[in-house]
Amino acid sequence: DQQVKQNSPSLSVQEGRISILNCDYTNSMFDYFLWYKKYPAEGPTFLISISSIKDKNEDGRFTVFLNKSAKHLSLHIVPSQPGDSAVYFCAASAFQGAGSYQLTFGKGTKLSVIP
Amino acid sequence: DGGITQSPKYLFRKEGQNVTLSCEQNLNHDAMYWYRQDPGQGLRLIYYSQIVNDFQKGDIAEGYSVSREKKESFPLTVTSAQKNPTAFYLCASSIMFRGNEQFFGPGTRLTVL
Repeated sequence: DQQVKQNSPSLSVQEGRISILNCDYTNSMFDYFLWYKKYPAEGPTFLISISSIKDKNEDGRFTVFLNKSAKHLSLHIVPSQPGDSAVYFCAASAFQGAGSYQLTFGKGTKLSVIP
Repeated sequence: DGGITQSPKYLFRKEGQNVTLSCEQNLNHDAMYWYRQDPGQGLRLIYYSQIVNDFQKGDIAEGYSVSREKKESFPLTVTSAQKNPTAFYLCASSIMFRGNEQFFGPGTRLTVL
């Protein structure tokens, strides 16, 4: 059973417009959420994160919103640029005990920014 | 330059052979992880290790083995028991107690013929 879901496999956006990537989760024990960006045949790179005690975190063009009651988070990219074209993974973290955390990943959303 | 290296980038093996994927980090991170990615899928955790000489199974450990003899190194062996070994393998590391912030290597694409 998928605990982290990204229901849109792909998204196309015009350059300069806003990109909104969505992620839903089911495990209420998740307390930290991350977005990773991944190009083909490369490792994911960390983009932005948010703790469950916040509802918004902003870093330049990237903003993550967290709605705990709905178990939903979203990543907003404004303005979108062609270099943003990549697969974006949502990940959630829960404390496992003894200093151990595990990340649970969604299946990813492929963003294409059209010039 | 600190980072995580995985070698080789591409690896080909015949069916029935064991193969070991290398992962080295010079970030002085305590914890290391192995993930597998298949097309259209998220990353799935194979094994992880928080300290030297200790490791735990992840969600899909069957057919894999690991060792952690040094803090910097966490090799993954894909054994002949792994039914679908062809995949993209990613190694990651994190500071102890900060496993929610993991840094990834460039990955190894394993193809079993």
